[in-house]
Amino acid sequence: EPEVTQTPSHQVTQMGQEVILRCVPISNHLYFYWYRQILGQKVEFLVSFYNNEISEKSEIFDDQFSVERPDGSNFTLKIRSTKLEDSAMYFCASEDGGGSNQPQHFGDGTRLSIL
Amino acid sequence: GQSLEQPSEVTAVEGAIVQINCTYQTSGFYGLSWYQQHDGGAPTFLSYNALDGLEETGRFSSFLSRSDSYGYLLLQELQMKDSASYFCAVINTDKLIFGTGTRLQVFP
Repeated sequence: EPEVTQTPSHQVTQMGQEVILRCVPISNHLYFYWYRQILGQKVEFLVSFYNNEISEKSEIFDDQFSVERPDGSNFTLKIRSTKLEDSAMYFCASEDGGGSNQPQHFGDGTRLSIL
Repeated sequence: GQSLEQPSEVTAVEGAIVQINCTYQTSGFYGLSWYQQHDGGAPTFLSYNALDGLEETGRFSSFLSRSDSYGYLLLQELQMKDSASYFCAVINTDKLIFGTGTRLQVFP
C-alpha cells in the first residue's frame, strides 16, 4: 500500500537555526498538509497546500514557516529561525482530493527537538 | 472558538466493548473522522461520518448526530493491540481539527 514518507525521523537543532522537514506524499494525491503534535497533546493543523499554493494556514503558521513543493514528489516545511516551543512531532499528510470523505494519510512524522 | 472534547482516558478488558464520545463546536463542519494513534506513531484513519447515523467497519463503528454536535466511536471485541490514543477530528473546509484525544488501555 502506498504511504507518505518523512525524513528525517528525528532532527535536533540549535535554537535560531533553520530547519527543513521533508515529505514525499502518495504519488497521485493532490492535497498536502502539515500538522504538529506537541508531546502529550492533540494534533494541530499548520497548513494545507493545493495546486502549488497554500490554501489555508493556521495561526501557528507565522512568517517563520514556509512550505514548498520543489518538484513533483517532495513537499517541505521550513522553519527559518527555530524557537524552543517549535519542539514537537511534525506530521505530513496527503489526500487524493476525491471528496471530503477521503481520508488523509499521515506519515510517521519527524520529531523536532530544539536545544 | 473551535473545540472538540473527548474523555482523557478509558480502560477496558479484552473482549469488552468500549465507547469513546466526542462533542464538538466548530465554525464549519463537513464531517467527523476518527483516527487511531499508537505511541510514537502516525495517526491512522479509522472511519468517517458525514451524515447522521452509524457507520460500521469491522469491529469499529462510528456514530454521528449533527443536531447534537456529538459523535462516538464504538470498539467491540477489544484486543490488546487496540491500546492506543483515539482522536475525533472535524473536517473543516479541507483541514482536520483534532479533538483532545482519548487514551484507551486494554487489560488482559
